[in-house]
Amino acid sequence: QQQVKQSPQSLIVQKGGISIINCAYENTAFDYFPWYQQFPGKGPALLIAIRPDVSEKKEGRFTISFNKSAKQFSLHIMDSQPGDSATYFCAANDDYKLSFGAGTTVTVRA
Amino acid sequence: SAVISQKPSRDICQRGTSLTIQCQVDSQVTMMFWYRQQPGQSLTLIATANQGSEATYESGFVIDKFPISRPNLTFSTLTVSNMSPEDSSIYLCSVRGGWDEQYFGPGTRLTVT
Repeated sequence: QQQVKQSPQSLIVQKGGISIINCAYENTAFDYFPWYQQFPGKGPALLIAIRPDVSEKKEGRFTISFNKSAKQFSLHIMDSQPGDSATYFCAANDDYKLSFGAGTTVTVRA
Repeated sequence: SAVISQKPSRDICQRGTSLTIQCQVDSQVTMMFWYRQQPGQSLTLIATANQGSEATYESGFVIDKFPISRPNLTFSTLTVSNMSPEDSSIYLCSVRGGWDEQYFGPGTRLTVT
């Protein structure tokens, strides 16, 4: 079964809006939580990552919020742009192995 | 981050045949991984390939079907053997950086007819 549950499956946002993608996990051994961005025909690209001792990490327009007690983390894309239209995967690391969420397809309408 | 290339980028193969996918990294790395991404789906780890040791396969993947070689610290191959249409997927290699991060190659798009 999927160790990392990701939602929503897809979302549509207007240019300039905020995209929010949520992930939840049960395995408390997970110690590193990356997000990947994948464009059609390309491999996943590491976007941003966080460790469980930090509650928030921001890089440009991308922010990860992490709630260790709830075992949840989310990606916020601020000021969404058409170039952000892609599939986003959350993941969690345990013993060098990544478990991926199901993915969220984000469409940014101009 | 590492620069990773894969060959071939895509292929169409007949059922019953085998295809070997190559993964080349621009720097020496200890840990390399092979993933499968079925159409429209997420990524599933096939195996971990460390130089100088046998690959470690995840549940549901076996060496006879997916033999892996890791001859040095910059190169690995994955063979998809005795292919069936169900093997049609994107096959991705990745490498582990110094802080748990993983970087992915561009993938090999395999179609089995």
